[in-house]
Amino acid sequence: QKEVEQNSGPLSVPEGAIASLNCTYSDRVSQSFFWYRQYSGKSPELIMSIYSNGDKEDGRFTAQLNKASQYVSLLIRDSQPSDSATYLCAVNKGNTGFQKLVFGTGTRLLVSP
Amino acid sequence: DVKVTQSSRYLVKRTGEKVFLECVQDMDHENMFWYRQDPGLGLRLIYFSYDVKMKEKGDIPEGYSVSREKKERFSLILESASTNQTSMYLCASSPGDYKETQYFGPGTRLLVL
Repeated sequence: QKEVEQNSGPLSVPEGAIASLNCTYSDRVSQSFFWYRQYSGKSPELIMSIYSNGDKEDGRFTAQLNKASQYVSLLIRDSQPSDSATYLCAVNKGNTGFQKLVFGTGTRLLVSP
Repeated sequence: DVKVTQSSRYLVKRTGEKVFLECVQDMDHENMFWYRQDPGLGLRLIYFSYDVKMKEKGDIPEGYSVSREKKERFSLILESASTNQTSMYLCASSPGDYKETQYFGPGTRLLVL
């Protein structure tokens, strides 16, 4: 079992729709969770971080965390063609005071006009 | 803004050559990381460092070494480049706290012939 699992996609949604990206992780002691966006040929950039169970909203993005189910998701509302990218889920395996991220292989999102 | 720079965007080397990849960050971050990214395999951690002159092996350290003589600079060394080291190499840095994200450099695409 991979430590962080994502569906590779592509996930295709029409412009204006909600895109839902999912991620599961295996290590129950994981403390912090991150979503990165990566455009083709570019490096990852942070979109959201989440540490507590529940939802966290930032503009069109909502991250959801369920530690009991070891599940984290990213919702993108009003999807735009510019959102087309690969979305990486990352889970911190480090103890307090140190950070070591484990990345999923990413979900490719395609938003059609 | 956090800035992480890498010495080259594209590099072509011959099998057996010694290759140096340089990474510099300007935010006084304690932690620095080297990853490689390959299609279908995602981001894999090669080495990381949590302090000057300190280094720790990541998940795939074979064939690589690192150097961190100054806090802002973290170098990745391919002692004798091989074709299976053709990849995208990404450097990242982060502050010490586990809640903090990692900031990525632009990446170096290395081709070993």
